[in-house]
Amino acid sequence: SQQGEEDPQALSIQEGENATMNCSYKTSINNLQWYRQNSGRGLVHLILIRSNEREKHSGRLRVTLDTSKKSSSLLITASRAADTASYFCATDKQAGTALIFGKGTTLSVSS
Amino acid sequence: DSGVTQTPKHLITATGQRVTLRCSPRSGDLSVYWYQQSLDQGLQFLIQYYNGEERAKGNILERFSAQQFPDLHSELNLSSLELGDSALYFCASSVEVLDTQYFGPGTRLTVL
Repeated sequence: SQQGEEDPQALSIQEGENATMNCSYKTSINNLQWYRQNSGRGLVHLILIRSNEREKHSGRLRVTLDTSKKSSSLLITASRAADTASYFCATDKQAGTALIFGKGTTLSVSS
Repeated sequence: DSGVTQTPKHLITATGQRVTLRCSPRSGDLSVYWYQQSLDQGLQFLIQYYNGEERAKGNILERFSAQQFPDLHSELNLSSLELGDSALYFCASSVEVLDTQYFGPGTRLTVL
């Protein structure tokens, strides 16, 4: 069964705009991670946020985590055409170690 | 480049055949994970090894098996292949469990 669900499924924006993607999950977690995947290629790790953290930044990325709502958001500021990709959130169940992925948000940034 | 290598990049084979996918984790990583990505199922965890021992099992079919060798590289064996096994197979590694998992470039398997 799906642990994480991203929303929206698809997002189209112009270069320079901000992109926000949301992820909801069902059970308690240790960590939540965000990954990017360019069409049919490998997954690139973006950021890991632990269950006791509320916000984390990495360059143009900002991730928040609300464990009471079991949700996370990924904000990409000042987007570029190179940000065009699918973005996945992945969680680990508290008792396990494997990552459980959502179906992803497909982001399209046009110039 | 994540430091995780996978071979081969592409594999085309026929139904009923058996294939072996290979993964070399990042230097120093003890944990190896295998995932399958297909259009209908998305990214699914298959199996995890830690320092040579099986640690966790996910949605892995009985026709599939894996192992991690003393040098920490891992192999995923897929047998009696069916059309529905066509997918991208990813290997990931981490230093310890609950650490960041770094993914390899994947092996694209096509079963005809």
